[in-house]
Amino acid sequence: DGGITQSPKYLFRKEGQNVTLSCEQNLNHDAMYWYRQDPGQGLRLIYYSQIVNDFQKGDIAEGYSVSREKKESFPLTVTSAQKNPTAFYLCASSTSGGTQPQHFGDGTRLSIL
Amino acid sequence: GENVEQHPSTLSVQEGDSAVIKCTYSDSASNYFPWYKQELGKRPQLIIDIRSNVGEKKDQRIAVTLNKTAKHFSLHITETQPEDSAVYFCAASGAGANNLFFGTGTRLTVIP
Repeated sequence: DGGITQSPKYLFRKEGQNVTLSCEQNLNHDAMYWYRQDPGQGLRLIYYSQIVNDFQKGDIAEGYSVSREKKESFPLTVTSAQKNPTAFYLCASSTSGGTQPQHFGDGTRLSIL
Repeated sequence: GENVEQHPSTLSVQEGDSAVIKCTYSDSASNYFPWYKQELGKRPQLIIDIRSNVGEKKDQRIAVTLNKTAKHFSLHITETQPEDSAVYFCAASGAGANNLFFGTGTRLTVIP
């Protein structure tokens, strides 16, 4: 069954801790994206990657980091520099570029302990 | 860069009535306009999209219209049902853009 898998579904972070959110896709898509969604708000782009070993900052990249070592994987690390990390994080992928439909994962809800 | 504005932010309709959500965009080079539906706590799902070479597209009770001259596009839902209640996002993108630009969302409530 093709799709995007995000894990874990729920994640708790302690003060000063880095945490990593997993995103895996088996759709053979070149492009992958990370979005942050705050309660009742829209989707804000954190990072995106059009190809393996390359990625670009989105609108709110500060306090986050990513890697793209494999086509199917695009993990997001929320660092201790992100002072307000509580949010719903969504990963998406598309065949290429911005003019193709994006397919989303089920999301990870991150909270501060 | 592209700027997408979406209105209204909330919309309540009686079951069976129609609902219309409108978006405007700023970049005349944009040529791809998808709409996503997000139910509470779930993933956004693509429900319909349109490209700039057509002015209207329909899929059962859902339709999208595009006015390139005025740079706006709209989602129309007819014969609304309670299961249509969700947040709807519009987006826009164009050649050379590497990502979609999303509107801020419309919370639609269908009252039984």
